[in-house]
Amino acid sequence: GAVVSQHPSWVICKSGTSVKIECRSLDFQATTMFWYRQFPKQSLMLMATSNEGSKATYEQGVEKDKFLINHASLTLSTLTVTSAHPEDSSFYICSATPGARGGQPQHFGDGTRLSIL
Amino acid sequence: GQNIDQPTEMTATEGAIVQINCTYQTSGFNGLFWYQQHAGEAPTFLSYNVLDGLEEKGRFSSFLSRSKGYSYLLLKELQMKDSASYLCAGMDSNYQLIWGAGTKLIIKP
Repeated sequence: GAVVSQHPSWVICKSGTSVKIECRSLDFQATTMFWYRQFPKQSLMLMATSNEGSKATYEQGVEKDKFLINHASLTLSTLTVTSAHPEDSSFYICSATPGARGGQPQHFGDGTRLSIL
Repeated sequence: GQNIDQPTEMTATEGAIVQINCTYQTSGFNGLFWYQQHAGEAPTFLSYNVLDGLEEKGRFSSFLSRSKGYSYLLLKELQMKDSASYLCAGMDSNYQLIWGAGTKLIIKP
């Protein structure tokens, strides 16, 4: 149980393109989803937390107009990197939890490797 | 402030035992998580401790001391596939995870 699917796994595109990444909880309802970014050999960096039906909470330094997050249902959240540039190239990982309370673990998708040329 | 400290890198021998330590400071405390992350992959959940003591799960065990702000992950009978980064994360009073930078574990034959 607790499977999170993330799509696509790899994206290579030209600078200026917008890229959408989907994160789905397959066998549970995810009241909260998280978006992380990880650069090579560095730790996870939380970008934003989203709760179903409400606006995402962005971490300091993360541009909300650059990284659009939509959590329209209890099983789907999307991250759109708008007008992507080479510095946005990174490993983006989503996670989901059935509830933010009670010590529920975050279950991670497989990640999306984004390369902007 | 909130902080998670764990060693950057450790080396161990196949078949041996290794203990990865983690100290934490969080605003409130709702438990301590351990995750495994292989290179180029997303983290996978290993364990959760919220009460003091040892939780055993096969070859992996996790320990928590709330009074000391300390946890460790114990890996027994090490296998080459255990080579990975191990992430310690504390959950604060807002149920947010505070992540450590991870401990890269290198297993040698």
